[in-house]
Amino acid sequence: DTAVSQTPKYLVTQMGNDKSIKCEQNLGHDTMYWYKQDSKKFLKIMFSYNNKELIINETVPNRFSPKSPDKAHLNLHINSLELGDSAVYFCASSHGLAGGHTNTGELFFGEGSRLTVL
Amino acid sequence: KNQVEQSPQSLIILEGKNCTLQCNYTVSPFSNLRWYKQDTGRGPVSLTIMTFSENTKSNGRYTATLDADTKQSSLHITASQLSDSASYICVVSARTSGDNRKLIWGLGTSLAVNP
Repeated sequence: DTAVSQTPKYLVTQMGNDKSIKCEQNLGHDTMYWYKQDSKKFLKIMFSYNNKELIINETVPNRFSPKSPDKAHLNLHINSLELGDSAVYFCASSHGLAGGHTNTGELFFGEGSRLTVL
Repeated sequence: KNQVEQSPQSLIILEGKNCTLQCNYTVSPFSNLRWYKQDTGRGPVSLTIMTFSENTKSNGRYTATLDADTKQSSLHITASQLSDSASYICVVSARTSGDNRKLIWGLGTSLAVNP
C-alpha cells in the first residue's frame, strides 16, 4: 500500500564506491523527483522527470545519474561517492508539475534513503 | 532573490498548549504557499496549500494564515499533542514560465511537544 517506496532505507559505503537507490510510486503520477536533505535539514531538488523526460537538473555533479525506465520508477545512481554525498535522499512524485495551485502538483514523498559515506 | 525564512528555528511546548510558527518570504511572482510536516526519519507530508486570495485555511488542529501583502504566513497548532513533534516546513511556489513553478523551501521549525 506504500505510495512512494524507496530502497534501501539505509546505505553505508566507502568513499569511491558506486551505489544506486531505487524509487517506485503506485499513485499513477506522471512526475517524479529526487531531493537531497543535508545535515542542516534543508531539502534541495536534484532532478525531476515528467513522463520519463528529464525536466529539472539542478547543478548536480555528473556523478549523479537518474534513470526513469517508466513513469512509476525513478532510480538514482551515484558514481565515485564522496564524503559530502552523505545525506538523506528523498524520492517524491506528483500529478503534474510540483507547485500547482490545487492538489495538482502536490508532492508525495518516500521515507528517504540515508546514505553514509565513510 | 527568492527566499523563505522561518521562525523560530526550534520550539518546545507542553502538551495541550497552542503554538504559532512563522514564515516570511520574498518570492516573486508568487503562486502558492504550502506547509509540510516532517516527522523524524520520514518524508514531508503536505498539511495545507494557500493561494494568493486565501487568508486562512484549516486542517484539523492546524490553521494556516497568509498575508500576501506583507508576504507572511503562519501555522497555528491548537491543543498540541505529542505526535505534533516534528519539523514544519514552509514552501513557496514561484511562477517561472507558463505552467512551470519553482519551489522555494524554508529550513523548517523543529517543534518538540513534551508531556
